[in-house]
Amino acid sequence: GESVGLHLPTLSVQEGDNSIINCAYSNSASDYFIWYKQESGKGPQFIIDIRSNMDKRQGQRVTVLLNKTVKHLSLQIAATQPGDSAVYFCAENINNNDMRFGAGTRLTVKP
Amino acid sequence: GAVVSQHPSWVICKSGTSVKIECRSLDFQATTMFWYRQFPKQSLMLMATSNEGSKATYEQGVEKDKFLINHASLTLSTLTVTSAHPEDSSFYICSAYYGSYEQYFGPGTRLTVT
Repeated sequence: GESVGLHLPTLSVQEGDNSIINCAYSNSASDYFIWYKQESGKGPQFIIDIRSNMDKRQGQRVTVLLNKTVKHLSLQIAATQPGDSAVYFCAENINNNDMRFGAGTRLTVKP
Repeated sequence: GAVVSQHPSWVICKSGTSVKIECRSLDFQATTMFWYRQFPKQSLMLMATSNEGSKATYEQGVEKDKFLINHASLTLSTLTVTSAHPEDSSFYICSAYYGSYEQYFGPGTRLTVT
């Protein structure tokens, strides 16, 4: 079946460097995508979203890029901090109320 | 705004007993809530969609008689794990829509069945 997946299960970066987390999706009908951050033992926290009619959206220190041609989504975190260490999930919205999550990438920030 | 709470945050129960988990939208009304299950080092898997005033919609493979969902008000949905077994031990997370697309998650409930 169609699903959302991630290219890298783990990512380790040095504090202050930029991080890039990638996600591939296969449902071409998806019209909305979200990146979530989940810290250990907690629920997912909304980071940033993007609609399918956009290819880039920026937030505070984060940027999401959407390439519909290759069905690819990425999350860029600028000047990564230790507090950014967490698991990051991309999710795609299918048919309004149906949200599907990718496998997740664990980001570790080294001081 | 858009705060979702869960209670309890963790629970330990004996095999064969039932456990109820509450999900509340604290500062908004949610006609639709979602229940997810997450095993260690895995992603969130949607279990069911809880609709206020009507029956929940379960995902394929989720036993509706085992995971009872009640969405009696616009701010409360409950998930009852009936006759729990050790394999039901997991992290259960609920969420609710705030606005058209924004989905906010609760802090999760860690269930351990001994």
